[in-house]
Amino acid sequence: DTAVSQTPKYLVTQMGNDKSIKCEQNLGHDTMYWYKQDSKKFLKIMFSYNNKELIINETVPNRFSPKSPDKAHLNLHINSLELGDSAVYFCASSLNGRTDTQYFGPGTRLTVL
Amino acid sequence: QKEVEQDPGPLSVPEGAIVSLNCTYSNSAFQYFMWYRQYSRKGPELLMYTYSSGNKEDGRFTAQVDKSSKYISLFIRDSQPSDSATYLCAAGKTSYDKVIFGPGTSLSVIP
Repeated sequence: DTAVSQTPKYLVTQMGNDKSIKCEQNLGHDTMYWYKQDSKKFLKIMFSYNNKELIINETVPNRFSPKSPDKAHLNLHINSLELGDSAVYFCASSLNGRTDTQYFGPGTRLTVL
Repeated sequence: QKEVEQDPGPLSVPEGAIVSLNCTYSNSAFQYFMWYRQYSRKGPELLMYTYSSGNKEDGRFTAQVDKSSKYISLFIRDSQPSDSATYLCAAGKTSYDKVIFGPGTSLSVIP
């Protein structure tokens, strides 16, 4: 009965590889987000989708590409991984695009070697 | 200067103490303020959100916003060891705008 789930939980990979992180929510929300939390714990928005439409697209390298096949899913694909991409990536969701009440997933800890 | 700042701590208090967690922000356009709790290796969990200035209470938690001084506080009464976590404050201009998070304050409640 997990509300927002992410897979995988841990991801260790080599520089230059391409990887994907998947997110699913069963809350009936229509808006989903990707956040990056770096080693200093700052949580920063990367993207948000509302009804499969890109709403927020922060200054993120174009190696990062989100894809939303439907309202309940938002995946993040990362090409040509770099050391600086190592972080915890959180997916979140909310209803009607409201950012003041977001529900976060458990995070995916990405380590690039 | 970061838009939302917090003392990272760690803050250590005895069980039963009243805890005061604080944030400052620089953007006077911020109207919505949130507090999230994040346990180690878990995702942030929304505790409370408030609009503009004033107080909001929910059980043992009280959120306070003072827009004149750009100061946000979270008070935890009768603190419990289960309150040990990192507390993130966050702010946004509208309830639909992107949210800016502070770096969090690490709290330990000692039994």
